[in-house]
This record gives sequence, structure tokens and C-alpha cells, in this order.
Amino acid sequence: GAGVSQTPSNKVTEKGKYVELRCDPISGHTALYWYRQSLGQGPEFLIYFQGTGAADDSGLPNDRFFAVRPEGSVSTLKIQRTERGDSAVYLCASSPDSIGLGTEAFFGQGTRLTVV
Amino acid sequence: GNSVTQMEGPVTLSEEAFLTINCTYTATGYPSLFWYVQYPGEGLQLLLKATKADDKGSNKGFEATYRKETTSFHLEKGSVQVSDSAVYFCALNAGGTSYGKLTFGQGTILTVHP
Repeated sequence: GAGVSQTPSNKVTEKGKYVELRCDPISGHTALYWYRQSLGQGPEFLIYFQGTGAADDSGLPNDRFFAVRPEGSVSTLKIQRTERGDSAVYLCASSPDSIGLGTEAFFGQGTRLTVV
Repeated sequence: GNSVTQMEGPVTLSEEAFLTINCTYTATGYPSLFWYVQYPGEGLQLLLKATKADDKGSNKGFEATYRKETTSFHLEKGSVQVSDSAVYFCALNAGGTSYGKLTFGQGTILTVHP
């Protein structure tokens, strides 16, 4: 399809394990965002890529969280030593070249991460 | 910092009722304002937006007006349908050091009964 694709859709992992979440943005979109949504809350910003570089990673909660986008397309969010508090839906979004304040972000359906 | 506050939910209405979901914001500068909607089983999608004061965004019968004097962007619809049942999120993009980042409210669950 032509939308933002996230895999897996669901991930259950044990506390302390490492996980990778993948985002495939809309083709040609240079901006890519990761958000985290806890139950009953709005999405919270994690990191924003413009091309291959992280333009703003101020939302990453601690150094267990890391994200890459090596070729300026697919991105991977990596979480080390997972904790139960990391359980949430992780959302990815992308935007086209023209990044104005009014630019629409297109969201994927998210990856539901459960840490047991 | 930037923040968005939405009215307490959930909201339950009968079909054809009038809908208002309140949204107020705090931001430096002149943000753009958005309403995103999440239908059951689907991802977030843009419903409407406004990029400057007094602009009105509209889509699918929904409207919201950017009121700088009251820092508000309330969502309204004159006659809701069952298919409008979803979670609605107000959001802003404030630019500056926050360029590229959306700040969301907590969401309002809307349920419309036949």
C-alpha cells in the first residue's frame, strides 16, 4: 500500500530484552517521526528525522531508546533492557519535503509493545 | 513549554446531535493547530487544520476556528453520525526549537448512538 507501514503490529517481550520496531514511511517523504502513546493518552513525541539525521531527539526518555534511519527511508526504533513501563503503542509518521508548520503528518497504525 | 488541553471525555451523543469538543493550547509564537481522528482499528489521520489566527479548518462537516485571543481551537459538527464514533486529538506544531514536532492533547472518545 501507499501508507506508512509499521512492523510488527504487536510485540510481546520479557523484561530486560532488546526490541526493534520498524517503520517504512511513504515513499519520497523526507521527514519521519516516532511517537509513543500510552493507554488513554495522546501521542508523545520521541524523535524526528529529516533525511538520515535526527533533527530532534529531545523526546527520547533515556539512553535505552535509540533510533536510526541510515538511508533516509526505513527507520528502526531500538529499545534496550526493556521495562514494563515501556509498554505502549509506538507510532511512526512521515511528511513530505516541504516541512512547514502546517504540513500534515501521515501516521502508521502503530506497534503495540507489551513488556511482561 | 507547549501544551494542549482537551475537554474531559468520553462524549456520548445520539445521531444528529450537535457536537463540541473543546481544545485550548499554550505555545510560544504562532503555532499551527490540528485535529486528528483515530477510527476503530485505524491509524491517526488528519481531520482538519488551521495555520494562522482566525483561520477556519473544515472537513467532513467538522469545523474549528483558530482563536488566538482565547488560545482555543474547538471542534464542532452540526449533526453527528454513528460513523463519527472515534477518538479525536487536538494538536499543535509550534515551530522554533520544536520544529517538526506535534504536541497532542489527551484525546476525546466520541460515541454516537443511532
